[in-house]
Amino acid sequence: AQSVAQPEDQVNVAEGNPLTVKCTYSVSGNPYLFWYVQYPNRGLQFLLKYITGDNLVKGSYGFEAEFNKSQTSFHLKKPSALVSDSALYFCAVRDIRDSNYQLIWGAGTKLIIKP
Amino acid sequence: DTGVSQNPRHKITKRGQNVTFRCDPISEHNRLYWYRQTLGQGPEFLTYFQNEAQLEKSRLLSDRFSAERPKGSFSTLEIQRTEQGDSAMYLCASSLVPPRGRGQETQYFGPGTRLLVL
Repeated sequence: AQSVAQPEDQVNVAEGNPLTVKCTYSVSGNPYLFWYVQYPNRGLQFLLKYITGDNLVKGSYGFEAEFNKSQTSFHLKKPSALVSDSALYFCAVRDIRDSNYQLIWGAGTKLIIKP
Repeated sequence: DTGVSQNPRHKITKRGQNVTFRCDPISEHNRLYWYRQTLGQGPEFLTYFQNEAQLEKSRLLSDRFSAERPKGSFSTLEIQRTEQGDSAMYLCASSLVPPRGRGQETQYFGPGTRLLVL
């Protein structure tokens, strides 16, 4: 069965420190992987995606994510956190063999950046 | 603004009433998705359209829910005889799938419609 796990409900980071939001996945075939961010009472905003090629993907707002096939992970990272990065972050995966292109979503990780 | 728009942004209704939400996708996008999201959870897939055709509905979607996308442009989601358990954020997303697309496309989300059933 396809699944996405975000093992941390909440991540607390001091402003200026590096941050990591973890995501692991399980699909039958090769994955397409996505990160979205959601600010309070707002819809989801696309951050970045991994399709193929370089395992390090750069996205919006200085975020990047590293695809690790052996560990089936796609952790979101940022070298220096900002208070404005505080939000809810969702990881999603799609099996490239899924003809319906359905996204499987993680439960989300709340990121809190403290000044 | 060329993003996905949803109306209304908020809806309060009494149990048993019908409600209808509208989604206007990004104009050239051929796919449109509806999701439901409750507090602290990820989006829950409800249904999606490829142009005007509704290709899949979640098994979780009761027969009180119906969606349409006439002419393959905007879409409406109607909930009949609302129940308190329907209270949630309803999200719409759209994407452009090329003719030989392999699922690489990105879904872009609207701001959502927050429904409260009293």
